[in-house]
Amino acid sequence: DAGVIQSPRHEVTEMGQEVTLRCKPISGHDYLFWYRQTMMRGLELLIYFNNNVPIDDSGMPEDRFSAKMPNASFSTLKIQPSEPRDSAVYFCASSSGRRLPYNEQFFGPGTRLTVL
Amino acid sequence: ELKVEQNPLFLSMQEGKNYTIYCNYSTTSDRLYWYRQDPGKSLESLFVLLSNGAVKQEGRLMASLDTKARLSTLHITAAVHDLSATYFCAVDIGGNKLVFGAGTILRVKS
Repeated sequence: DAGVIQSPRHEVTEMGQEVTLRCKPISGHDYLFWYRQTMMRGLELLIYFNNNVPIDDSGMPEDRFSAKMPNASFSTLKIQPSEPRDSAVYFCASSSGRRLPYNEQFFGPGTRLTVL
Repeated sequence: ELKVEQNPLFLSMQEGKNYTIYCNYSTTSDRLYWYRQDPGKSLESLFVLLSNGAVKQEGRLMASLDTKARLSTLHITAAVHDLSATYFCAVDIGGNKLVFGAGTILRVKS
């Protein structure tokens, strides 16, 4: 299996620009998670989906952030407009809710976002 | 509010020494995960602990779970440089949702 795939791996943009991060979960996994990691705040869960439906978006910091999962093999996290404080590493992870009793999350390589 | 506290947050140790990282959490859960993250890399799953008293071992690392005490430990035996990384515990709070600790940065000096 190819694992969780994220693109781009690095993104440098200017304040005010739109940024779109992409994720392909592991085939057969029905949960998808978006995390943000910074030195100050550690690893934060932003939003997660089950069967393409958003379940909990309470971690999404502001209306500038939005996430979609149009099908089981693709998700996007969009920031519009971007701000310097959005600079972080964004991870996508997936898991199988069918492999009970545990729900081990598998992480992608991350996207390092820098907003100038 | 759920709290997942790891200590220490930073650990510098000599090769060959033993040490334990602690993970305390404030809610009821019988599932806990340990992850490793190398600098600039992603998180890699190390251990899945599914019930009270669970113990898992892989090489020089051993993880255990005490759900009654709401405590998990990651024990390092005879540390080697290759173990240098950041270690996270994550508590399963239901709905496939994990809450991560702040991480323990481990540096093994030769």
